[in-house]
Amino acid sequence: QVQLQESGPGLVKPSQTLSLTCTVSGGSISSGDYYWSWIRQPPGKGLEWIGYIYYSGSTYYNPSLKSRVTISVDTSKNQFSLKLSSVTAADTAVYYCARQRRDGYNYPFDYWGQGTLVTVSS
Amino acid sequence: DIQMTQSPSSLSASVGDRVTITCQASQDISNYLNWYQQKPGKAPKLLIYDASNLETGVPSRFSGSGSGTDFTFTISSLQPEDIATYYCQQYDNLPLLSITFGGGTKVEIK
Repeated sequence: QVQLQESGPGLVKPSQTLSLTCTVSGGSISSGDYYWSWIRQPPGKGLEWIGYIYYSGSTYYNPSLKSRVTISVDTSKNQFSLKLSSVTAADTAVYYCARQRRDGYNYPFDYWGQGTLVTVSS
Repeated sequence: DIQMTQSPSSLSASVGDRVTITCQASQDISNYLNWYQQKPGKAPKLLIYDASNLETGVPSRFSGSGSGTDFTFTISSLQPEDIATYYCQQYDNLPLLSITFGGGTKVEIK
């Protein structure tokens, strides 16, 4: 059974960089059939896809966040990471990591981490 | 960017009722449409993929239909454990990749 677990600071100061890591267990991040994504959800609001990475290191980001986002992968540790720079209070959210499986031309999110709340505050 | 309009934003129904949620895409997305269930304090769970395919292990009272721009999600007989917020999500990669979620529908028991 695949499991994903987010880790990182729960509090980040405004203008600083938010950094989170997702550790994957029960499956290899190097499998070519999946993308590995970050998604966030502000308190009481809906879901926003941030971006994904393929095991090879290729990435794709939400255009609305692209200038501030970097996603990287460490296949030796079976982990992928998120960095979001120049954060403001609007970036306060529960951050989820998730796996997207290839299903023809569709890539549904089939496994999710439990989520981690990151608060941006001084 | 493709916009997903989900309705209603909330609904209240009785146990055993048939519940229907709709999702409309701002442009044709074929059947690249997925549905998720999110219970309070939990991560979303995939229920339906490719508009109408039931994810393994998901009860058969959940179903989906539609293609192009108009999609429907149905719970045939609402159960107390179905209290949650439901989201549609589209995936499109032409001409550029776009992944967006609907605004969600909160389902409550009357």
